[in-house]
Amino acid sequence: QQQVKQSPQSLIVQKGGISIINCAYENTAFDYFPWYQQFPGKGPALLIAIRPDVSEKKEGRFTISFNKSAKQFSLHIMDSQPGDSATYFCAARGVYGGATNKLIFGTGTLLAVQP
Amino acid sequence: KAGVTQTPRYLIKTRGQQVTLSCSPISGHRSVSWYQQTPGQGLQFLFEYFSETQRNKGNFPGRFSGRQFSNSRSEMNVSTLELGDSALYLCASRGLDRDEQFFGPGTRLTVL
Repeated sequence: QQQVKQSPQSLIVQKGGISIINCAYENTAFDYFPWYQQFPGKGPALLIAIRPDVSEKKEGRFTISFNKSAKQFSLHIMDSQPGDSATYFCAARGVYGGATNKLIFGTGTLLAVQP
Repeated sequence: KAGVTQTPRYLIKTRGQQVTLSCSPISGHRSVSWYQQTPGQGLQFLFEYFSETQRNKGNFPGRFSGRQFSNSRSEMNVSTLELGDSALYLCASRGLDRDEQFFGPGTRLTVL
């Protein structure tokens, strides 16, 4: 059962542009929302994360916006660079019972930044 | 500090066989989680081990099993392999900071 929906599936952005990836979740029993970046042949690497009591978090060119009432969160990459070309996954971490510490991932967004 | 290591990196098996994958977490990390990544299903949680005990399990058949040793190293076993088990199997370790999980490079399993 898919509990985290991610869009778009793929994204092409020009160098210097803004990349925006959206996620929506269906279960309120999540306490942590990370974004992972994955390059081909590598495991996912934590990029940035947010907790539901915060509406926005910025780290360098990467910003997470979080809307608790709408159960949505998004990743913004400012001044996108060709080196940002990768697959991005949003995730939500369960907080109760058998879902504790379990990361539910979105389906991923393949980002291509054109020079 | 060395990262999460997984062995082997690539594996080819035939249907019906069994396979064992290994994961060494970051030194000092006691939690190890396993995920299956496929193009169709994405990243799916298999199970988590902490101090040699399985704490959580995902929705996978009993053919998927795991264990953790006293040094926190973990193994995952898949018995009676099926074509659909072809995937990248990722291991992630977590330390005292409950938030950050560090992923290994994965083991690419191909079932023929």
